Amino acid sequence: EPEVTQTPSHQVTQMGQEVILRCVPISNHLYFYWYRQILGQKVEFLVSFYNNEISEKSEIFDDQFSVERPDGSNFTLKIRSTKLEDSAMYFCASTLRDKGLGYTFGSGTRLTVV
Amino acid sequence: GNSVTQMEGPVTLSEEAFLTINCTYTATGYPSLFWYVQYPGEGLQLLLKATKADDKGSNKGFEATYRKETTSFHLEKGSVQVSDSAVYFCALADPYNQGGKLIFGQGTELSVKP
Repeated sequence: EPEVTQTPSHQVTQMGQEVILRCVPISNHLYFYWYRQILGQKVEFLVSFYNNEISEKSEIFDDQFSVERPDGSNFTLKIRSTKLEDSAMYFCASTLRDKGLGYTFGSGTRLTVV
Repeated sequence: GNSVTQMEGPVTLSEEAFLTINCTYTATGYPSLFWYVQYPGEGLQLLLKATKADDKGSNKGFEATYRKETTSFHLEKGSVQVSDSAVYFCALADPYNQGGKLIFGQGTELSVKP
């Protein structure tokens, strides 16, 4: 069964450093998403991406965050200057259509900011 | 705005007990409703879904019925197993929302003891 692949599985970074979280969505999917889950809390939407542009972003997704699909297969989330409160599990997801159906989530990247 | 509320956990049951995890939602229009499961150390997996009122989603012995009159989507299983221990998330997608983001409840941790 096709998978969404995320790398790395765990990343530790110093506060103020830039991090890039990488995702390889399912190849024929068209809609891409990032969500995050702070430890013990709910899963929160960050951003959706379609047709090479952001289609929606949450209040969390401020100027420190950016997304890119650089080569038609990877989908990246960049955090420009990490803060302690960015420590969370970040999930990538993709789907063929919108409407919330048919999501496939990756297994996540645990980001720890120290 | 759209939101999802789940019963608080953790829920601790003995093997073969009956499980109910309550989920209610607030949404404009007619959302699609989902249950996702997160096993320890893993990502989110779709457990079941329902896209219109009175639909029943089912998978692996779990069931949930889309009740528009009570705006609920409670998860049930007749006889839980130790392997069902996980965190369960109720979620909705607004079909009129561009891009199809998911809105999650806070999650309910289930622990099944032998």
